[in-house]
Amino acid sequence: AQTVTQSQPEMSVQEAETVTLSCTYDTSESNYYLFWYKQPPSRQMILVIRQEAYKQQNATENRFSVNFQKAAKSFSLKISDSQLGDTAMYFCAFTGAGSYQLTFGKGTKLSVIP
Amino acid sequence: EADIYQTPRYLVIGTGKKITLECSQTMGHDKMYWYQQDPGMELHLIHYSYGVNSTEKGDLSSESTVSRIRTEHFPLTLESARPSHTSQYLCASRRGTGSADTQYFGPGTRLTVL
Repeated sequence: AQTVTQSQPEMSVQEAETVTLSCTYDTSESNYYLFWYKQPPSRQMILVIRQEAYKQQNATENRFSVNFQKAAKSFSLKISDSQLGDTAMYFCAFTGAGSYQLTFGKGTKLSVIP
Repeated sequence: EADIYQTPRYLVIGTGKKITLECSQTMGHDKMYWYQQDPGMELHLIHYSYGVNSTEKGDLSSESTVSRIRTEHFPLTLESARPSHTSQYLCASRRGTGSADTQYFGPGTRLTVL
């Protein structure tokens, strides 16, 4: 069974600064996908970024990028130029190739301070 | 935002009542999911469906039941609500073509059982 661990229950960052959220996972599979989802207060959860395990290049989406270390089973999310709208719960998630179910971490509550 | 809807958004009911939480999506997605989430906490999969007339229980045991008579509709029913059912219920859907596909979430139903 896969597990996803987010070791930072809460974090805060000053507006315009950079913050990194940590995620580690455990799996015996060789091919899989990793995701970061964002859940703003009282709003729908949305996908922030995804990474395919067989791709060595780290995924990037505008101000969001990941540091994927396959050997270390680490998948951190970096948010650059933090904005007030980045305040949210962030969930790291895993799915194996051929699976249609996500395994979520417990989440990190990020607060962006003006 | 994604075309996935949940009603009601908030529900306060007494113990012993039967309730149905509605979830519908207009994206033609085969796969649909129900998660239970306490505020600010992790998501637990309670039910999923990979198509019409297909339903399965998730990792977290739940006294609720689901049905999938139409592709777009995936209601969740509690026959006799109890205070322990107080939680947020999130519905989600995705296409059926690949493990990397985005999972779209509804806005959630916040249930309080008195």
